[in-house]
Amino acid sequence: GESVGLHLPTLSVQEGDNSIINCAYSNSASDYFIWYKQESGKGPQFIIDIRSNMDKRQGQRVTVLLNKTVKHLSLQIAATQPGDSAVYFCAENMVTGANNLFFGTGTRLTVIP
Amino acid sequence: DTGVSQDPRHKITKRGQNVTFRCDPISEHNRLYWYRQTLGQGPEFLTYFQNEAQLEKSRLLSDRFSAERPKGSFSTLEIQRTEQGDSAMYLCASSRSQETQYFGPGTRLLVL
Repeated sequence: GESVGLHLPTLSVQEGDNSIINCAYSNSASDYFIWYKQESGKGPQFIIDIRSNMDKRQGQRVTVLLNKTVKHLSLQIAATQPGDSAVYFCAENMVTGANNLFFGTGTRLTVIP
Repeated sequence: DTGVSQDPRHKITKRGQNVTFRCDPISEHNRLYWYRQTLGQGPEFLTYFQNEAQLEKSRLLSDRFSAERPKGSFSTLEIQRTEQGDSAMYLCASSRSQETQYFGPGTRLLVL
């Protein structure tokens, strides 16, 4: 969903459950996508990335899915832990163009012990 | 620690003062980026360098902002005549060419 000011989309999950965080990106020409995790007072931390020639990529406990048809990106976190509580941002980039990242709104994930 | 570092971590200043922030990228990274982040929003691109050359500036980078990377290693971001609207987290990131950008911890600026 859209955020207005401080009202980030939020997701609350029980510890041990799987989490799915969604992101709609804006530029159909974007060909590189990254998920970042940001804890309070810290800089964004790289989680996983995917290029547009793939539709799925797996890391340790995380999976990113890319649907170019509807310009949608999702991050799946398996067996969510309290340390996963943070704000998650998707970012898009055009590898062959200007190199700046465009960040989405962000989703606040809260893990309930 | 071989990550991106930023200094200072926090800065409080009065309106109208000048401030300067420093970023030390990951040593083998040739690209360095500055972003600004306000509360509840994602980071917004300001400018980036490839080695010592500043290759792109966002329209967010007003004339009061200047960034340098004189030797292609560390970078400084200066804000002149600060305004209350400049209050934000200033983030630095670095990358090896067009690879993944890694962020530093940020400098939080508060203009009173």
